[in-house]
Amino acid sequence: DVVMTQTPVSLSVSLGGQVSISCRSSQSLVHNNGNTYLSWYLQKPGQSPQLLIYKVSNRFSGISDRFSGSGSGTDFTLKISRVEPDDLGVYYCGQGTQYPLTFGSGTKLEIK
Amino acid sequence: QVKLQQSGAELVKPGASVKLSCKTSGYTFSTSYMSWFKQIPGQSIEWIGMIYAGDGGTGYNQKFKGKATLTVDTSSSTAYMDLSSLTTEDSAVYFCARGTGFDYWGQGVMVTVSS
Repeated sequence: DVVMTQTPVSLSVSLGGQVSISCRSSQSLVHNNGNTYLSWYLQKPGQSPQLLIYKVSNRFSGISDRFSGSGSGTDFTLKISRVEPDDLGVYYCGQGTQYPLTFGSGTKLEIK
Repeated sequence: QVKLQQSGAELVKPGASVKLSCKTSGYTFSTSYMSWFKQIPGQSIEWIGMIYAGDGGTGYNQKFKGKATLTVDTSSSTAYMDLSSLTTEDSAVYFCARGTGFDYWGQGVMVTVSS
């Protein structure tokens, strides 16, 4: 199985600040079709996960441009700029290139 | 708009089975995939498997083969997951999510296995 390693485990940021979350996969996430199926999700407290970013850098419908994804191969990053109170929760990266689909262990974002 | 409405919380005894439902609306269910996930509170997300509503074809995480069975009812646009031979290790929140990109999720259902 592809192991997804997220860092840091948690981070605290002031409102208006910027944070980066790293996600590394144990194998390349480049699919045979040339696409890289790396997504980012936010799970707010008590809620189901919500899709933020798909295929590395594509924002899902309605997602603020404060969220941006980048990376390639095995190294990926989610950046959140101008952090707002509603951004708190646990962020997960997930890969859809190889079965079984797998997720990182999560990064908890707290607001200072 | 797209909605995935899951059934209510379940309290079941060890050894029993439970059938969870995920009723959808707002999109063409019969030509879509549905995935199911397990999340123990405070832990990460595990992918259980996926079903294509068009023909009922399934794919499972090896870890959940024999534990979970996915089915659909296209007449009611509902996906189901049967969990069998339940143990305390199956106590978790279970989610359904649309498609292969998981763009829309159900609200989750808590399954508690306890005698």
